[in-house]
Amino acid sequence: EVQVVESGGGWVQPGGSLRLSCAASGFTFSNFWMSWVRQAPGKGREWVANIKEDGSQKYYVDSVRGRFTISRDNAKNSLSLQMNSLRAADTAVYYCARLRSGYYYDYWGQGTLVTVSS
Amino acid sequence: QSALTQPPSASGSPGQSVTISCTGTSTDVGVYNYVSWYQQHPGKAPKLMLYEVTKRPSGVPDRFSGSKSGNAASLTVSGLQAEDEADYYCSSYAGNNNIVFGTGTKVTVL
Repeated sequence: EVQVVESGGGWVQPGGSLRLSCAASGFTFSNFWMSWVRQAPGKGREWVANIKEDGSQKYYVDSVRGRFTISRDNAKNSLSLQMNSLRAADTAVYYCARLRSGYYYDYWGQGTLVTVSS
Repeated sequence: QSALTQPPSASGSPGQSVTISCTGTSTDVGVYNYVSWYQQHPGKAPKLMLYEVTKRPSGVPDRFSGSKSGNAASLTVSGLQAEDEADYYCSSYAGNNNIVFGTGTKVTVL
């Protein structure tokens, strides 16, 4: 059974940092692009970042580029999102998802909540 | 990139059909046949219901169907069942590794 499980969410002050993790199981992790997607309270979902199977290509939404870094460890079946210089606007539930063909997500986690507030 | 527009809510009685619209632009829905639909029950992970407008992943009932015309796509749930009550989101590829999502629709089974 394919599973992705996020962890690492919590409360952080503006300007702070947080690292999210995603543990994958039930599939050959190194064969798939992976993504982070977020949903702010009362708002729609927003794609945040993608990473290629081998980590050689990474893409970010404009609002996080330069502040967030997506990475993966294929030996540990793990995906990460390092979030620096956090802003109130980054408050959201962050989902880890498996990306297919570059344009849809076939498996998602339940999400982890990040709250940026003073 | 603006979110795709969905109605906030939709409802139907058991056995009836409900259709949810997803309106985009000529830079996303209108130009790519890469519209997907996701179902999410409270506290659960989102579940892929349709991709490439009309394709159903294994295990998704054929009561779920999709279509697209111009800048708008739609999801139809036929033979509505109690377990179909959930939030539904559409998404579309928008070029340059960007995927844009819909605003979400809460489906209520009366």
